[in-house]
Amino acid sequence: AQSVTQLDSHVSVSEGTPVLLRCNYSSSYSPSLFWYVQHPNKGLQLLLKYTSAATLVKGINGFEAEFKKSETSFHLTKPSAHMSDAAEYFCVVSPDSSYKLIFGSGTRLLVRP
Amino acid sequence: DTGVSQDPRHKITKRGQNVTFRCDPISEHNRLYWYRQTLGQGPEFLTYFQNEAQLEKSRLLSDRFSAERPKGSFSTLEIQRTEQGDSAMYLCASSLDRVPDEKLFFGSGTQLSVL
Repeated sequence: AQSVTQLDSHVSVSEGTPVLLRCNYSSSYSPSLFWYVQHPNKGLQLLLKYTSAATLVKGINGFEAEFKKSETSFHLTKPSAHMSDAAEYFCVVSPDSSYKLIFGSGTRLLVRP
Repeated sequence: DTGVSQDPRHKITKRGQNVTFRCDPISEHNRLYWYRQTLGQGPEFLTYFQNEAQLEKSRLLSDRFSAERPKGSFSTLEIQRTEQGDSAMYLCASSLDRVPDEKLFFGSGTQLSVL
């Protein structure tokens, strides 16, 4: 069965410092992997998507993620945090093309002024 | 593109009552999904439609839950005889499966509180 594990439930950074949100996946074959962001009272928004075309995936708002098969990881990074990045982030795996997405438990990112 | 719309935003009900939620997907999106999100957890898949056909249901969807998409446009999710454990955010999403780079668009959800 496919699953994702988000290693940190909360991450706190200072504005302007790098962001690292960690995700490990479990899959019997090459999966589709995603990162979604959820701001309060707003719908989930897709940040980026990995589908095997390139291991380094660039997303919106300066975020990127690197697929590392040897480590079964798909960590999300951003060079410099902005106050508006404060939100809940979900690592997601899709077992097939039906988009029956399997979400991790989420990482809440706090950005300190 | 007006986005995925869900109604109501909030619903408070008493245990044992029936509730119905509505989802209006992005027009022309042929796939529609329902997810449930409990506090502190990621969303969990409930069911999805391809046009008006309900193609898959999760084991989370007990007999008290029913979803419809009668004309392949909007969808309703009904919960009968609500229980306190049904309290959650119910999310709807839609997508168009005929593009190379398909992605889901989520609504803001309906927050259900069962007292």
